[in-house]
Parts: sequence; C-alpha cells; structure tokens
Amino acid sequence: KQEVTQIPAALSVPEGENLVLNCSFTDSAIYNLQWFRQDPGKGLTSLLLIQSSQREQTSGRLNASLDKSSGRSTLYIAASQPGDSATYLCAVNGNTGNQFYFGTGTSLTVIP
Amino acid sequence: DAGVIQSPRHEVTEMGQEVTLRCKPISGHDYLFWYRQTMMRGLELLIYFNNNVPIDDSGMPEDRFSAKMPNASFSTLKIQPSEPRDSAVYFCASSLQTITGELFFGEGSRLTVL
Repeated sequence: KQEVTQIPAALSVPEGENLVLNCSFTDSAIYNLQWFRQDPGKGLTSLLLIQSSQREQTSGRLNASLDKSSGRSTLYIAASQPGDSATYLCAVNGNTGNQFYFGTGTSLTVIP
Repeated sequence: DAGVIQSPRHEVTEMGQEVTLRCKPISGHDYLFWYRQTMMRGLELLIYFNNNVPIDDSGMPEDRFSAKMPNASFSTLKIQPSEPRDSAVYFCASSLQTITGELFFGEGSRLTVL
C-alpha cells in the first residue's frame, strides 16, 4: 500500500518568507500527484495537479515539483502571506488507477 | 458552477440513530468519492462511483455503512446504526472523466455521535 508522508507536521514562518513543504511517497509508480489546501472547518481546495510525466507545475506564487524516482514532491510558496495559513495536503494516485492516498498534512502559520 | 454541495454541514446524533449524508457532485463529473477524515487516520476513501455505479467499496468500514447514487446529481452515505467511533468529517468529492483526474471536494459534513 502506498504510504504518503509530509514533513514537517507544522511550520510557522514570518510574513514574506519563501518556504518549502515536503511530501514523500513509498511507491514511485504513480499516475499523478495533487496538492491541496484545507482551511479550518472547510473542505479541501485543489492547488496543483502534476501528472507523472511532468516535473513541475506553477500557479501564481505556488510551484510544485515532482521527482518520481526519489518518491518526493515539494510545494514552494513564494513571499508568504498571512492568508496562506492553512493545512496543506498532498495526495498521490497509483498508475493502475487506484485511489488517491493522502498525507496527513503540514499546518502552516504565516505570522504578520 | 456551485461546486460539490454537501448536507448537512453539521450533524449531532445519539448512538444507534440512523444518519444520512447527502452530496451533489459538480455537473458533468463522472466520478464521485466519499472520504472520511479523522485526526487519527487522516483522509480515508470509503467508496467511489463511476457513472452512478459503485466501483470500489473496500474502504467502507462495516456493514453499518452504505452508499447509493441513484442519479448523476445525487449521492447518499448512510450509517445505521451510528456509533461514537463514527464521529468524523465526511467529505464528498468528484472528478471529471477519470479516477485520476483532479479532485474537487465539498465542504464536508461534521458528524458527532454521542
């Protein structure tokens, strides 16, 4: 079974800093990887979807990279803002079309 | 589009009662997923449908749980009888065309079983 790990579990940074969130997975045979944001009491909002053939995806201040061979993905947030405070989850999907497996998330706090 | 719509947002019930959670997926999405989120276990897939047909229900914890999708715009997740350990946030998600496509989540239904 695919295991997805996100480190650190919690992160606190001052406003304006660039930061990196990490996601690792045990089975490199994935179809795609998706990053989500979850605000307290809310659902998950899709941020970026990376197909297995891609190395990275960008959306505004967010950049996600994928290294299948090492079983890793990173989410880079540039010039962090207090509004970025949330829990960030990654999810991977196997190449047999199986379910998405979710990490437990990184809780980010951006201090004004 | 209004996104994935779930109801109720909050449900408090007593042990032994029946609970029904509802979901309306994004129009045109072929796949619908039910997830459960707890602090201990994170997000777990319970069941998913393709074109209204249940495909994989291996994540459904017990026979007390059942799910239906009578048409393309409506699904229910039922727990009968409910138990305190069923307390969690239940999410519905949908995706377009493929199980590996981008997932869109609803706001969730927070269930508390006393």
